[in-house]
Amino acid sequence: SQKIEQNSEALNIQEGKTATLTCNYTNYSPAYLQWYRQDPGRGPVFLLLIRENEKEKRKERLKVTFDTTLKQSLFHITASQPADSATYLCALEGGSQGNLIFGKGTKLSVKP
Amino acid sequence: NAGVTQTPKFRILKIGQSMTLQCTQDMNHNYMYWYRQDPGMGLKLIYYSVGAGITDKGEVPNGYNVSRSTTEDFPLRLELAAPSQTSVYFCASRSTQGHSGNTIYFGEGSWLTVV
Repeated sequence: SQKIEQNSEALNIQEGKTATLTCNYTNYSPAYLQWYRQDPGRGPVFLLLIRENEKEKRKERLKVTFDTTLKQSLFHITASQPADSATYLCALEGGSQGNLIFGKGTKLSVKP
Repeated sequence: NAGVTQTPKFRILKIGQSMTLQCTQDMNHNYMYWYRQDPGMGLKLIYYSVGAGITDKGEVPNGYNVSRSTTEDFPLRLELAAPSQTSVYFCASRSTQGHSGNTIYFGEGSWLTVV
């Protein structure tokens, strides 16, 4: 079965730096991969989707890459701000009916 | 649109009690899901539904039941609550249409404690 791993449980960086979060999967390459943001006490919120034929996708200060050879996606936040502090979840198609499976998340803390 | 609405937000149950977590969405989405999220464990799929009248088990269905009588509603029933069911529960939905068809929309969560 498909497994998904987010390597870091927590990442601490200084404001203004670029945060890079990693998501690895183990088996077949999914048709797409998604990133979600989750704030404490809230439900996850969709950020970006990248398809297997897309190498890179950008949205404002966010950038996602998808390397099907490495079976890896990188999620970048440039010019990070304290307001970017949250847990970021990686998700991909891994079950029947196209159900998503989620990584455990990486908790990002951006210090002023 | 309100999106995905879950009730209650918080609940404390005694062992052996039963309860229903309510979920409704106003986006006319076909697919609906129930996940649980335990600290450090990520989101686990409990049950899902691909349309009214159709439900199926996810990864961790034991101790739960669902029904889908309408497109809008997808309640989750806990029978004989156990301490292992202490968790945060998220209802979610997604469309199967167009470019947004792969995006899941989550509710705000229901915090359940079984004592």
